[in-house]
Amino acid sequence: DAGVIQSPRHEVTEMGQEVTLRCKPISGHDYLFWYRQTMMRGLELLIYFNNNVPIDDSGMPEDRFSAKMPNASFSTLKIQPSEPRDSAVYFCASTVDGLSYEQYFGPGTRLTVT
Amino acid sequence: KQEVTQIPAALSVPEGENLVLNCSFTDSAIYNLQWFRQDPGKGLTSLLLIQSSQREQTSGRLNASLDKSSGRSTLYIAASQPGDSATYLCAVDLGGKLIFGQGTELSVKP
Repeated sequence: DAGVIQSPRHEVTEMGQEVTLRCKPISGHDYLFWYRQTMMRGLELLIYFNNNVPIDDSGMPEDRFSAKMPNASFSTLKIQPSEPRDSAVYFCASTVDGLSYEQYFGPGTRLTVT
Repeated sequence: KQEVTQIPAALSVPEGENLVLNCSFTDSAIYNLQWFRQDPGKGLTSLLLIQSSQREQTSGRLNASLDKSSGRSTLYIAASQPGDSATYLCAVDLGGKLIFGQGTELSVKP
């Protein structure tokens, strides 16, 4: 398996623009997670899905952030409008079982908002 | 609120040394604890997962222990190598939700 795939790997955009980050989980994994990593706050869980249904979105910082999982092999994280403080590395991860198994992380998308 | 702390924040050792990385957490109601490795500019790689009912896990030169009652975990690396240089993160699982420590940046000098 190719592992968790994220695109783009790097994104530079101007404040106010819409940003869409994409993730393809490992085939057969029922759980998908979106994380954000910054120097100040470390790694934080934003939202996670089980069988394409959002389970916990308490980590989503503001209404400007939204995430969808239209099918088992694709998820998006959208920021609209983007702000400089959204600059971070965004990771997607997936796992077979949310409670007992390792989470497999993608390579991340480095977002820079100017 | 669950908080995860890792000490030290950075560590530099000569090649061949055995070393211990520490992780502490405030709430013992966890499902499991995981140790990850992160190389600069890369994603996270899972190293070891310890279920809440287990005391330790081993993989090659790595050994992780878990003491839920005291809220502590350690990652022991035997015979360190320059290729072990990376940031090591621990995370506690609250039931599908990982809470991460800030990591320990390890540098192994040849």
